[in-house]
Amino acid sequence: GAVVSQHPSRVICKSGTSVKIECRSLDFQATTMFWYRQFPKQSLMLMATSNEGSKATYEQGVEKDKFLINHASLTLSTLTVTSAHPEDSSFYICSARVGYTGELFFGEGSRLTVL
Amino acid sequence: AQSVTQLGSHVSVSEGALVLLRCNYSSSVPPYLFWYVQYPNQGLQLLLKYTSAATLVKGINGFEAEFKKSETSFHLTKPSAHMSDAAEYFCAVSGPDSGNTPLVFGKGTRLSVIA
Repeated sequence: GAVVSQHPSRVICKSGTSVKIECRSLDFQATTMFWYRQFPKQSLMLMATSNEGSKATYEQGVEKDKFLINHASLTLSTLTVTSAHPEDSSFYICSARVGYTGELFFGEGSRLTVL
Repeated sequence: AQSVTQLGSHVSVSEGALVLLRCNYSSSVPPYLFWYVQYPNQGLQLLLKYTSAATLVKGINGFEAEFKKSETSFHLTKPSAHMSDAAEYFCAVSGPDSGNTPLVFGKGTRLSVIA
């Protein structure tokens, strides 16, 4: 299957700092990527849809100024958590589709811990 | 709108016993249906998918699922559980025109396998 890679897999930061998470499609081009957030023992919550060359589409209740998404190329989308607070600690997962097959391929996830 | 309901947040089976994880969906259009597995601190891996072809779908690791339109169900089964099957399982749905639309996930079912 297609490969989606996320980096870093784990990050610990101080409250008030910003953290960038990268999501790359390694063997295909992804015009659209999806960012999910997962709380412990819970399901995936869609945060936003990242579109190459245009603004991301955010889900209701997700602060776009706090969770900055940039999709500058067909193989890279980034999520920046700005002015991070402890409540932003979570597992963030990106995903992308190959063509119109329906299935999503997921990155390995990035666990953010804000102290 | 589409939604997925997974019955049972936690299922426990003995090694060698039948695994049955339940998923019911709601969709106003013909659905695409998916089962994903997640191991701790990892992203999601696709087990199998239904995209309007055969109603009985075989996936990886011996899992299979049957699409039953009359019951709006897509239950996941495996004849004989293995210790390595212990993980979190997510059912997901999308529409057929799914190129740029995200998947909608159920809340997940944690499978425990007892030796």
